[in-house]
Amino acid sequence: QSVLTQPPSVSGAPGQTVTISCTGSTSNIGAGYDVHWYQQFPGTAPKLLIYINSNRPSGVPDRFSASKSGTSGSLAITGLQAEDAADYYCQSYDTRLSGWVFGGGTKLTVV
Amino acid sequence: QVQLQESGPGLVEPSETLSLTCAVSGDSVTSTGFYCAFIRQPPGKGLEWIGSVLYSGNSYYNPSLRSRVTISIDTSKNQFSLKVASLTAADTAVYYCASGRELTFTRHWGQGTLVTVSS
Repeated sequence: QSVLTQPPSVSGAPGQTVTISCTGSTSNIGAGYDVHWYQQFPGTAPKLLIYINSNRPSGVPDRFSASKSGTSGSLAITGLQAEDAADYYCQSYDTRLSGWVFGGGTKLTVV
Repeated sequence: QVQLQESGPGLVEPSETLSLTCAVSGDSVTSTGFYCAFIRQPPGKGLEWIGSVLYSGNSYYNPSLRSRVTISIDTSKNQFSLKVASLTAADTAVYYCASGRELTFTRHWGQGTLVTVSS
């Protein structure tokens, strides 16, 4: 049971837009802590995709965007491409646990 | 370009202690603001933060693992290390080291190393 809740899977056709939610609580996202997103392909390490709610590291396409509101964060991928098929994880800080917490991950399928 | 390289045994027996090291290149583990972390991922499952250590030596651990985990910095070798004691099959996972300069997230990841706990 992850502290941050994500849908196990989402899917979309090429060119479409998908969103992935990340729901927390008043001890993490709702307490003002930032949400970060990682992308992971099978057999490889996660890669930082979005940091501090909505910032993209250099090299990340602007098709990826994210936001935070209340106790939740959200990742949007527009103009979906086959290469976007991967697992996506949100991450924040939790005051009760005094450490990082991750969502359970969302598997994106491009159909 | 920061690069991290994990090294350690692929197979450890139950009740033993796992020791992993993470060599850092492209940055200094003693420079102000630097931190390192270990994160693990059981096969087919999600990510779990194990703990972090700052350049100052201060360390922070996941409460669920705190009694069994130690993370430390070896300044002479520019690397950091993880020890997990009293291993069980539930500790089988890919172990990643990670680093950055922002305490709330990580920019750099090692490639990960699979650790299997089995006799």
